[in-house]
Amino acid sequence: EVQLVESGGGLVQPGRSLRLSCAASGFTFDDYAMHWVRQAPGKGLEWVSGISWNSGSIGYADSVKGRFTISRDNAKNSLYLQMNSLRAEDTALYYCAKAPAAAAGPIDYWGQGTLVTVSS
Amino acid sequence: QLVLTQSPSASASLGASVKLTCTLSSGHSSYAIAWHQQQPEKGPRYLMKLNSDGSHSKGDGIPDRFSGSSSGAERYLTISSLQSEDEADYYCQTWGTGIPVVFGGGTKLTVL
Repeated sequence: EVQLVESGGGLVQPGRSLRLSCAASGFTFDDYAMHWVRQAPGKGLEWVSGISWNSGSIGYADSVKGRFTISRDNAKNSLYLQMNSLRAEDTALYYCAKAPAAAAGPIDYWGQGTLVTVSS
Repeated sequence: QLVLTQSPSASASLGASVKLTCTLSSGHSSYAIAWHQQQPEKGPRYLMKLNSDGSHSKGDGIPDRFSGSSSGAERYLTISSLQSEDEADYYCQTWGTGIPVVFGGGTKLTVL
């Protein structure tokens, strides 16, 4: 059974940093691309960042480019999102998501999310 | 620019059928999409991948009541024999040749 478990969320002041983690199990992690998708309170889904199976291809939404960094450790079956210079508008539930392909493709599994609140 | 457009809301009666629409932006009518369901207070759930020819492959455990079809730039999700648990937000998602993916704005389905 595919499982994606996010952690690292919390309350943080504007301008500070936070690192999210996603522990993956139930599939061969290093075969697939992975993504971070967020959902602000009462809003729709917003793609944040994605990374190919070997970290050779990485993408970011314009709203986080230059502030967020995605990475993965295939030996630890883990995905990360380093979030710097956080803003109030980054407040959201952050989901880890798996693609059924090594790079481009849809999302076929989702985690339950970790909540990030940016507030003073 | 790759954009997906969805109606904000839809409604249908218990036991009836409903067809939700996701429209691809101009020049992207050959793209496949995926449909996701998000029930209240829950994380999203992958329903299916839907190709431009209407062929589709569903996720694990998705009931036969859920089906997909395509016409031109439109991608459809049909839910038959509506049940109360089908009341949810439905999102379409697509992708290009690279890593980035795109989501539609979502459709909130109310089961009357």
